[in-house]
Amino acid sequence: GAVVSQHPSWVICKSGTSVKIECRSLDFQATTMFWYRQFPKQSLMLMATSNEGSKATYEQGVEKDKFLINHASLTLSTLTVTSAHPEDSSFYICSARDPGGAGGLATQYFGPGTRLLVL
Amino acid sequence: GQQLNQSPQSMFIQEGEDVSMNCTSSSIFNTWLWYKQDPGEGPVLLIALYKAGELTSNGRLTAQFGITRKDSFLNISASIPSDVGIYFCAGQTGNQFYFGTGTSLTVIP
Repeated sequence: GAVVSQHPSWVICKSGTSVKIECRSLDFQATTMFWYRQFPKQSLMLMATSNEGSKATYEQGVEKDKFLINHASLTLSTLTVTSAHPEDSSFYICSARDPGGAGGLATQYFGPGTRLLVL
Repeated sequence: GQQLNQSPQSMFIQEGEDVSMNCTSSSIFNTWLWYKQDPGEGPVLLIALYKAGELTSNGRLTAQFGITRKDSFLNISASIPSDVGIYFCAGQTGNQFYFGTGTSLTVIP
């Protein structure tokens, strides 16, 4: 299946610093990528939809100035957690929509996730 | 965002038993997807379904796209210890993509 990579896989930072997470689709072009946050033993919570060349669409309750999303190319989206605080510690997962998946039908592939710990 | 109803929430089964889980929605979807997530990793796509009534297998896994387009189920036959994990269903229509609440599977050797 298609591969989506995330970098870094884990990061520890001090409170107040900003952290950038990259999401790349390695063998397909993704006009749409998604960013999720997952708390322990819970399902994935959609934070925002990242559209190549346009502004991201944020879910209700997600601060767009706190979680900056840039979808600069068809294979790269970045999530920047600005002025991170301990409550931002979580598992962040991106996904990319492959518009021409099996049989020419759209399929969604996930990255391996980034674990963020803010001290 | 919307979440799909997935059941059961958790399962504890003996190795070798079959497993069945399902996902329901009040909305119609064009695509149903099933994923497995291991601890500390991202979800991995298991099966994708694109047509109402479609029945698709991937090894010991079988999934079906409900006729009403509002539900889907996943079966795992002859479970093994490495089947342990959380299974998520997902419904997709256009750019809208919704996750199920997850089924945690524990396989007892």
